[in-house]
Amino acid sequence: KQEVTQIPAALSVPEGENLVLNCSFTDSAIYNLQWFRQDPGKGLTSLLLIQSSQREQTSGRLNASLDKSSGRSTLYIAASQPGDSATYLCAVTLIGGSQGNLIFGKGTKLSVKP
Amino acid sequence: DTAVSQTPKYLVTQMGNDKSIKCEQNLGHDTMYWYKQDSKKFLKIMFSYNNKELIINETVPNRFSPKSPDKAHLNLHINSLELGDSAVYFCASSQDSGVGEQFFGPGTRLTVL
Repeated sequence: KQEVTQIPAALSVPEGENLVLNCSFTDSAIYNLQWFRQDPGKGLTSLLLIQSSQREQTSGRLNASLDKSSGRSTLYIAASQPGDSATYLCAVTLIGGSQGNLIFGKGTKLSVKP
Repeated sequence: DTAVSQTPKYLVTQMGNDKSIKCEQNLGHDTMYWYKQDSKKFLKIMFSYNNKELIINETVPNRFSPKSPDKAHLNLHINSLELGDSAVYFCASSQDSGVGEQFFGPGTRLTVL
């Protein structure tokens, strides 16, 4: 059974700091891994999608890496801003799983202090 | 411009009632999903559906039933609501029969009294 774990559960940093969020998964047979952002009381915003054949994806100040063999992904946020405060979720799509269903971690709640 | 929309945003109802949540996507995707986010903020898949197949998570009670009038809509019907059904329900969609990037709706907060 696929399990997705995110560490830390919460993180507080001063503005301007670079930071790394971690995601690990127990079954390496994945199609892809997706990072999301969720603001309080809001839906999920897709940040980055990494296919299983890729090592990393970049979008602006965000960089996500994937090491499928070790079951790990990291989300790197450069020069953090108060507007980055949100809960960050990672999720994987299993090969052979049901119709692309995402398996989510429990998220990392990020707070960036001005 | 909204890619995936849900109505209503909030739904408050009594135990035992039957209710529906609507979802529409204008992205031309072939697969749609329903997820449940519980009070601990944990997201779990409930259903996935394309025009060929409905996949039901085995843990979902049969009081929950998705209905798709067309490719752009996947509505969620809930019968005989229970207190434990209170949660936020998210609709999502993707292309490529489920392995593409998934886009989520804003969620529907259901409160059962």
